[in-house]
Amino acid sequence: AQKVTQAQTEISVVEKEDVTLDCVYETRDTTYYLFWYKQPPSGELVFLIRRNSFDEQNEISGRYSWNFQKSTSSFNFTITASQVVDSAVYFCALSEASGTYKYIFGTGTRLKVLA
Amino acid sequence: DSGVTQTPKHLITATGQRVTLRCSPRSGDLSVYWYQQSLDQGLQFLIQYYNGEERAKGNILERFSAQQFPDLHSELNLSSLELGDSALYFCASSATGTSTDTQYFGPGTRLTVL
Repeated sequence: AQKVTQAQTEISVVEKEDVTLDCVYETRDTTYYLFWYKQPPSGELVFLIRRNSFDEQNEISGRYSWNFQKSTSSFNFTITASQVVDSAVYFCALSEASGTYKYIFGTGTRLKVLA
Repeated sequence: DSGVTQTPKHLITATGQRVTLRCSPRSGDLSVYWYQQSLDQGLQFLIQYYNGEERAKGNILERFSAQQFPDLHSELNLSSLELGDSALYFCASSATGTSTDTQYFGPGTRLTVL
């Protein structure tokens, strides 16, 4: 069965610290897609990244980086030098190529960055 | 700004009532998805439409219904409302409606049932 686990419910860090948000997924498909979304206090869901199962290259975008490891079924997200504006709930999601087009979301990790 | 619009932003109503939530997808996107986000259930997929046709159904209650119109906007109708229906309802859109797509989410409609 498909499942996404974000074991960290809430993380607090001090500004400028690095922080890693964990995402572990389960799927029987060999072709699938993983996503990260950010939900700031204003409530909207902001798309951050999409990764397909055949591309295990890590990705860096500014202070954000993602580490995809099929061997451990993980797609972790690291924020370097965190800022107060990074405070949000972050969701990891899975979409299977053979599935019914829906996303399976993790329960989210609330990140609090303290000044 | 994702390009997906939702109205209204907030809705307060009473139990037993009926409401309609509206969504306009990003320009060029043919598929619309509805999700419910509540505190105890997290983000739950409700239903998907592609070019006016229902494509996939999730955990949508029978009291809820949706449709996608020829101009591609979508409406989610919630009837016989209960306190437990209070939640944030998101609409998302994608280009082709397949699992390879990225879904872009609207700002959500916060529904409060009193």
